[in-house]
Formats: sequence, C-alpha cells, structure tokens
Amino acid sequence: GQNIDQPTEMTATEGAIVQINCTYQTSGFNGLFWYQQHAGEAPTFLSYNVLDGLEEKGRFSSFLSRSKGYSYLLLKELQMKDSASYLCAVSLLDDKIIFGKGTRLHILP
Amino acid sequence: NAGVMQNPRHLVRRRGQEARLRCSPMKGHSHVYWYRQLPEEGLKFMVYLQKENIIDESGMPKERFSAEFPKEGPSILRIQQVVRGDSAAYFCASSPGTGGDEQYFGPGTRLTVT
Repeated sequence: GQNIDQPTEMTATEGAIVQINCTYQTSGFNGLFWYQQHAGEAPTFLSYNVLDGLEEKGRFSSFLSRSKGYSYLLLKELQMKDSASYLCAVSLLDDKIIFGKGTRLHILP
Repeated sequence: NAGVMQNPRHLVRRRGQEARLRCSPMKGHSHVYWYRQLPEEGLKFMVYLQKENIIDESGMPKERFSAEFPKEGPSILRIQQVVRGDSAAYFCASSPGTGGDEQYFGPGTRLTVT
C-alpha cells in the first residue's frame, strides 16, 4: 500500500523558521511535491523534487532523500499569510499522485 | 491563459438526486485528475483521465460514481443517488503530460447533500 506521513499541526512565530517533515512508503516513486492550501481554496504548487538534495526557492526550500523515504519543507522569515495547510504528495510510476493528509501551520504574531 | 475552471463552485443536492461536476482543464492540458477532500482531511485521488480515456479509476467508488473526459467539452464527474457521505470538496487538476508534471488545481466544487 501507499503511505505518506506528516504532522497534523504545527505552530510557529512570525519571522521564525519552520521545518515540516514528510515520510513516505510507496510502491514506485517519480518525485515528491509540496503544495500549499489555504482554507477553502485550491492547493497551489510549491516545489517538486526528483533528485536527492535541497532546492531553494525564495523563502521556501524543499529537501528530498530517496533512500530514506524522507522530505522536508523549510519556510524562512515566516509571515502571517503562510498560515495554511502544507500537503506532501508523491508522484508514482503510473503518473498518479498520492497526497498526505497535510500539515496545518499556525503562525503566531 | 485561463486556469483550471470548475463549476459549479457550490452544489446542494438532496439525498437520491444526481450531482454533475464540471472541469475545464488549462489550455493545452490533456490530463485531468479528480480528487475528493473531506473536512480536515487530505486530498484523495479518485480518477485520472485523458481525452476520451479513463487511465486509472482505482480511487473512485465502483457504484454511483462515473467520470468522463470527452473529445470536446469539459470533464464531468457524475454522482448518482447522492448520500450524505458524498458531501465534500471535489477538486479537479490538470497537467500537460505525465511523469510528474505539476498539476494545476481548479477552485473546487463544494457538494452538500441534505
């Protein structure tokens, strides 16, 4: 079966750094997505990692270790608008994408 | 370049009625995916279609649910004889190709069954 685990909720302070972890066990693996979803809205794409290592994009960075089945999303200089759910998703070999349940991130002033 | 469009945005149906959800992919995208999201839950894959073909419907209940993506027109997710448990947000996503292409999501249709 396919399994993606990420924490249900996290809280951080405005201006700080937060790391959201994701572990996965899947049959087949193309790559790993991170999406952001504000309440009541559609998910929006943040990053896609295929190879091991860290990819940085502005305040957001995403890391992947294929051998460990592990990824994290790093958010720096947190802003109130970063309060949202962050979805970890795995792209399988048959082009299907399986999503984790998401991590709700609360930012405190 | 218009994004993925879904309509209606909100749909209320009484138990036993039919619900039809429409999705127009982004221009140039030939791959459409449907997901269901319950409150406080992640996105659950339902079905993956290309024009006139269902590629993978392993996430879709065998009864009452069907999906199509005709040569012309939007993709349709159809739920017959709706029950209260069908109340959820249904998101459509499209991508230009395969192998991990980014999926672009529509705004979703929120179905409420009374």
